[in-house]
Amino acid sequence: DIQMTQSPSSLSASVGDRVTITCRASQGIANFFAWYQQKPGKVPKLLIYAASTLQSGVPSRFSGSGSGTDFTLTISSLQPEDVATYYCQRYNSAPQTFGQGTKVEIK
Amino acid sequence: QLQLQESGPGLVKPSETLSLTCTVSGGSISSSSYWWGWIRQPPGKGLECIGTIYYSGSTDYNPSLKSRVTMSVDTSKNQFSLNLSSVTAADTALYYCARQGLGIRAAFDIWGQGTMVTVSS
Repeated sequence: DIQMTQSPSSLSASVGDRVTITCRASQGIANFFAWYQQKPGKVPKLLIYAASTLQSGVPSRFSGSGSGTDFTLTISSLQPEDVATYYCQRYNSAPQTFGQGTKVEIK
Repeated sequence: QLQLQESGPGLVKPSETLSLTCTVSGGSISSSSYWWGWIRQPPGKGLECIGTIYYSGSTDYNPSLKSRVTMSVDTSKNQFSLNLSSVTAADTALYYCARQGLGIRAAFDIWGQGTMVTVSS
């Protein structure tokens, strides 16, 4: 199985900071890749698909990049409402797998 | 607006079969543009894709669960279902159903609210 490794597992940043989360696939997955946001007690929400395409309605401070094995989610200016756990996911083949999550907090 | 709603027992005994149904409203499960999936999340842990099903009945299961999973679709009721047999405490989780696009758009874009299933005697 292709494994997804996210880093860091958690981070604390100040409002307005630029935040970067990375995800590495153990094998190349082209850009069959997504990022999700899960706020505490809430349902996961799709942020980005195809590695860099912003899902409709998602604020433009979120962006995704990468292809192949290395992917990045960037929040250009962290806001209080961005406190959440972020998951990466590959969907190039079964079994689709998620990363272990990155918990983002406000400093 | 498309909505998904999970339903089923919240408590299942060990060794028995967990059965959940996802009802799709505001759109047709028979659309050729989507698959439909089940994802679970144990308390305090991450997400695991159990499998997906197409309206035709084609399925794609997680190999780690394949021997215990059966998914089905009922287009007349606009529902799809999950059966997970021989459950143990490790199957205790929040179970979500979700819609998945095709090809490069095959992320899970619409999710149900989730239903908590506890495996306990």
